[in-house]
Amino acid sequence: AQSVTQLDSQVPVFEEAPVELRCNYSSSVSVYLFWYVQYPNQGLQLLLKYLSGSTLVKGINGFEAEFNKSQTSFHLRKPSVHISDTAEYFCAVSDTNTGGFKTIFGAGTRLFVKA
Amino acid sequence: DSGVTQTPKHLITATGQRVTLRCSPRSGDLSVYWYQQSLDQGLQFLIQYYNGEERAKGNILERFSAQQFPDLHSELNLSSLELGDSALYFCASSASGVTNNEQFFGPGTRLTVL
Repeated sequence: AQSVTQLDSQVPVFEEAPVELRCNYSSSVSVYLFWYVQYPNQGLQLLLKYLSGSTLVKGINGFEAEFNKSQTSFHLRKPSVHISDTAEYFCAVSDTNTGGFKTIFGAGTRLFVKA
Repeated sequence: DSGVTQTPKHLITATGQRVTLRCSPRSGDLSVYWYQQSLDQGLQFLIQYYNGEERAKGNILERFSAQQFPDLHSELNLSSLELGDSALYFCASSASGVTNNEQFFGPGTRLTVL
């Protein structure tokens, strides 16, 4: 069975500082990986996804993530954050089996950007 | 705006009651997912429908049921409500049923059980 662990429940950071939100997964098969963002009082929206190919994935709003198969990680990074990046970020995994249609979400990491 | 609509936006009801949450997917999307988000449990996948058929099941209680209609809208029925069912319920849709598709989330229905 798949699982996703987001290692930090909250990450406070100053504006213009770099940030890394950590995500580890476990799965017995190949996976697809996603990062979603949830702004206050809104639904989730996709930041980026890894399906195959290059392990460095670039997404919207200057975010990027690196797939590391040996460490089963998919950490999200941004070199310089803005106040508007304050939100909750969810890592998600789904397997590549044709019979597996579930996407499992992590518990979320609340990013709080301070001025 | 994701293109996914959910009604109602807020729902307040009493324990033991039954409610129905409605979701209209993005135009052309065949797959609908339901999630429950609460402070203690996080975002939990409940169930997925694809083109009218149940495709995957997650942590959905027996008191909960869902269906997807021929026009592709979906309803989530919650019965014998308990205080612990208070949560934000999200619907999401995707173009197909395969797991590499992006899911587009609606704004959610906030259910409060008193």
